[in-house]
Amino acid sequence: KQEVTQIPAALSVPEGENLVLNCSFTDSAIYNLQWFRQDPGKGLTSLLLIQSSQREQTSGRLNASLDKSSGRSTLYIAASQPGDSATYLCAVRAGGFKTIFGAGTRLFVKA
Amino acid sequence: GAGVSQSPSNKVTEKGKDVELRCDPISGHTALYWYRQSLGQGLEFLIYFQGNSAPDKSGLPSDRFSAERTGGSVSTLTIQRTQQEDSAVYLCASSFGLAGVGYEQFFGPGTRLTVL
Repeated sequence: KQEVTQIPAALSVPEGENLVLNCSFTDSAIYNLQWFRQDPGKGLTSLLLIQSSQREQTSGRLNASLDKSSGRSTLYIAASQPGDSATYLCAVRAGGFKTIFGAGTRLFVKA
Repeated sequence: GAGVSQSPSNKVTEKGKDVELRCDPISGHTALYWYRQSLGQGLEFLIYFQGNSAPDKSGLPSDRFSAERTGGSVSTLTIQRTQQEDSAVYLCASSFGLAGVGYEQFFGPGTRLTVL
């Protein structure tokens, strides 16, 4: 059974700091891994999608990596800003059609 | 609109009543997902539709939950005889769909259901 774990559960950093969010999954047989952000009371916004054949994806200040063999993904946020404050979720698309989500990392960037 | 839309945005109902939640996916997306997010919990997969294929209902928590997708577009999630534990935010997502390939999912704003 696929399980997705995100560490840390919460993180508070000063503005400008670079940070890394971690996601691990138990079954390496995945189609892809997707990172989302969720603002309070809102839906999910897609950040990056990494296919199983890829090692990383970049968008602006965000970089996501994928190591299928070790069951890990990281989301790197450079030069954090208060507007980055949100909950970050990773999700893996495994066999069949299910997408399994982690519980998320709540990020607070202090001005 | 260009994104996934859901209605209503908020629904308050009494225990035992039936509710219907609606999702309009992005035009051209053949795959549609329903998820549930309970307070303090992660997202829980409920059901998946792909084109004309039989839906994957493996995440539905009980037989009080059902969903349909008419004409390959709009989907309705129905909860019969609602219980207080059904209170949650129900999220819908859509994507392009192809067996064996994972496409990016785009989410709607969700419907917040409160069962009194």
